[in-house]
Amino acid sequence: QKEVEQDPGPLSVPEGAIVSLNCTYSNSAFQYFMWYRQYSRKGPELLMYTYSSGNKEDGRFTAQVDKSSKYISLFIRDSQPSDSATYLCAMIIQGAQKLVFGQGTRLTINP
Amino acid sequence: GAVVSQHPSWVICKSGTSVKIECRSLDFQATTMFWYRQFPKQSLMLMATSNEGSKATYEQGVEKDKFLINHASLTLSTLTVTSAHPEDSSFYICSAREGDRAPSYEQYFGPGTRLTVT
Repeated sequence: QKEVEQDPGPLSVPEGAIVSLNCTYSNSAFQYFMWYRQYSRKGPELLMYTYSSGNKEDGRFTAQVDKSSKYISLFIRDSQPSDSATYLCAMIIQGAQKLVFGQGTRLTINP
Repeated sequence: GAVVSQHPSWVICKSGTSVKIECRSLDFQATTMFWYRQFPKQSLMLMATSNEGSKATYEQGVEKDKFLINHASLTLSTLTVTSAHPEDSSFYICSAREGDRAPSYEQYFGPGTRLTVT
């Protein structure tokens, strides 16, 4: 079993829809939870991070962490074609250096 | 700020040859740099962690004699793929962490290098 599971998709939605991306994990020691966006043939860029459980909002993006269920989500409101990318969740144990990534979900927003 | 560059962005080499990939932190000092490998439609897999001035720490299953990592300065790390084979063809991405006090999750990624071995 992988430490972090993420549905690779692909996921295709119309412009303006609300997108929900999710990851589950098995290691309860993870404390920081990140979402990265990766455009084709580019390096990942950090969208948001959350420490422990809770919600965090940044513009059209909301990250949720439920440590009791070992489940994290990223919601994108009013999705735009420019949001089309691969979204990777990543996690890290506090004090550790190793990021553990999910497989990534390929998202396409159709105009 | 916090820009990481990689060079080259794309390289083609013949089987049996070696190729060097550079990773530079342009506007900060990176005490720790990380090298990842990403196959098509797959996630990033950490290959090794390097701290400036010391030997790299390789992940299980990564051949340290094949993937030579040097982190000679606070702004430059290099990955050399020795005796490359077609199965080494992949997307190699580096990331950098600024200082020991930087949060462990705060890594800045380079744009990646696509290696094709023919």
